[in-house]
Amino acid sequence: GAVVSQHPSRVICKSGTSVKIECRSLDFQATTMFWYRQFPKQSLMLMATSNEGSKATYEQGVEKDKFLINHASLTLSTLTVTSAHPEDSSFYICSAKITTGVYNEQFFGPGTRLTVL
Amino acid sequence: AQSVTQLDSQVPVFEEAPVELRCNYSSSVSVYLFWYVQYPNQGLQLLLKYLSGSTLVKGINGFEAEFNKSQTSFHLRKPSVHISDTAEYFCAVSDSNTGKLIFGQGTTLQVKP
Repeated sequence: GAVVSQHPSRVICKSGTSVKIECRSLDFQATTMFWYRQFPKQSLMLMATSNEGSKATYEQGVEKDKFLINHASLTLSTLTVTSAHPEDSSFYICSAKITTGVYNEQFFGPGTRLTVL
Repeated sequence: AQSVTQLDSQVPVFEEAPVELRCNYSSSVSVYLFWYVQYPNQGLQLLLKYLSGSTLVKGINGFEAEFNKSQTSFHLRKPSVHISDTAEYFCAVSDSNTGKLIFGQGTTLQVKP
């Protein structure tokens, strides 16, 4: 149980185009999902918290107009990188949160490798 | 504010030797602590977690960790490593209010034959 998928696993796009990444919770509902960015040989950096039915909450320094997040259902959150540039190339990972009592646990997707040419 | 420090960026070790990956945390409230493993070009897999109770936590793949409140540490150990344990390991602390995870910088475990 508690499987999270991401699509696509890899994407290559031209500079200036937009790319959409999907994050799905396959066997559970998640009112909250998280989006992370990971540069090579570095840790995960939280970009934003995606809340079903409301606006995402972005971490300091993350451009909300650049990284559009939509959490339209309890099993799907999408991250759209708008007008992508080479510096947006990175590994993007999502997670979905399950709350059991007072405890929150995140389940991670397999990640999406974005390369902007 | 909560923070996590992984004291070693790289840990080389020979196959079948024991290993310890160190993690220290800072928090003013009760914490939930986690260790994750990441293989190349993959997402994170949970190795083990500490929520409450016994301070010695056993996880998957033969790993275990000990929560030490006085030393604010949560070190990961394995008595005998395999080549397949070569990966990146992340220690994390959870914000009990938001559920956000704060990650350490990561430790690369390199198991040599």
